[in-house]
Amino acid sequence: GDSVTQMEGPVTLSEEAFLTINCTYTATGYPSLFWYVQYPGEGLQLLLKATKADDKGSNKGFEATYRKETTSFHLEKGSVQVSDSAVYFCALSDLTGANSKLTFGKGITLSVRP
Amino acid sequence: KAGVTQTPRYLIKTRGQQVTLSCSPISGHRSVSWYQQTPGQGLQFLFEYFSETQRNKGNFPGRFSGRQFSNSRSEMNVSTLELGDSALYLCASSLVLQGTEAFFGQGTRLTVV
Repeated sequence: GDSVTQMEGPVTLSEEAFLTINCTYTATGYPSLFWYVQYPGEGLQLLLKATKADDKGSNKGFEATYRKETTSFHLEKGSVQVSDSAVYFCALSDLTGANSKLTFGKGITLSVRP
Repeated sequence: KAGVTQTPRYLIKTRGQQVTLSCSPISGHRSVSWYQQTPGQGLQFLFEYFSETQRNKGNFPGRFSGRQFSNSRSEMNVSTLELGDSALYLCASSLVLQGTEAFFGQGTRLTVV
């Protein structure tokens, strides 16, 4: 079945540091890939998405490129801010199979110190 | 426009009771999905409804059920509550099937004591 693997956390960075959060996936079809962010006490917000190979999703300084050859969708940001502190989830949705549900990774907690 | 609204935000129930959670999707969205979020298992898919029909179901026992009304509002029900059902229950809505962009509510925090 479909699965998403995220790097182990938590991650603690200083403000303005470079961020990379790794995400790899397994899917039988041609999934769409997503990064969601969850702030304390909140639901999930879509951060960015990519629907086909080599697509780059970007939003709020975050970027991720859909790499079919390495089945990866790593999240990057050049300079993190304290306000980026949150839990980040990588997810996929495979519309070619019988299910169109979102499959999530376990999430990683990012803490950014001033 | 209004986002996804889940009610109530917090619930405390006793083992053996049942509970009903409600989700109002974004206006015009016809697909509603439910997820359970726990520290140990992360985010797990419960079910998806589209035009009042259950389209997909996750690997949860039959105590977990749901339905969708003609106005796309959805409810999920958990019967015979167990301590392990304590979780954040999230609802997501999207225009069509869930593979397109999904918008999440703030969730209902259920505590079973």
